[in-house]
Amino acid sequence: AQKVTQVQTEISVVEKEDVTLDCVYETRDTTYYLFWYKQPPSGELVFLIRRNSFDEQNEISGRYSWNFQKSTSSFNFTITASQVVDSAVYFCALNFSGSSNTGKLIFGQGTTLQVKP
Amino acid sequence: DGGITQSPKYLFRKEGQNVTLSCEQNLNHDAMYWYRQDPGQGLRLIYYSQIVNDFQKGDIAEGYSVSREKKESFPLTVTSAQKNPTAFYLCASSSTRGGLQRTGELFFGEGSRLTVL
Repeated sequence: AQKVTQVQTEISVVEKEDVTLDCVYETRDTTYYLFWYKQPPSGELVFLIRRNSFDEQNEISGRYSWNFQKSTSSFNFTITASQVVDSAVYFCALNFSGSSNTGKLIFGQGTTLQVKP
Repeated sequence: DGGITQSPKYLFRKEGQNVTLSCEQNLNHDAMYWYRQDPGQGLRLIYYSQIVNDFQKGDIAEGYSVSREKKESFPLTVTSAQKNPTAFYLCASSSTRGGLQRTGELFFGEGSRLTVL
């Protein structure tokens, strides 16, 4: 069975603090894709990153970084020097088994991040 | 501007009524999706379509119906058979060109919030 679990339901930090959102997944597939999406208050989800199962290199994009560890089935997301605009719900997701070329995703339950000024 | 438009943004329905949610995209994407979002449960796939005049059930298709008569449009009908229709509904699209490199990169609309009275 496939499953995505986001460890934290809610996180509250003060601006400029670093924050890590944890994601643990389960799949029997050897080839799979993992994602992070951001949902601001406006409602639409915004794609942040995709990582395939063969690429365990960490990725950094500005203040965002991602740590993929296959050995622990985790794909954690860190925001460095958080800002108020980072306040949103963040979703970790995994592609449905056998659907490597589609948008059929299994989402975690989401982590609500509040960054206070 | 290219994007996905969902309407209405808010909708109230009496029990026993069918209601149709609109989703239009001008991104020239082949694939379109409907996801349902409930508090604390993340997003779950209702239906998806990878080509005009074809669509498949997702994880929670019961009580819903869709059509894909035009590439740009993928309306969702919530029927009276849906036991618990109150939720936030998100439409998404993705390009199937580029193969695996585009996997999972979804573009979302701003959602429609349905409340059953």
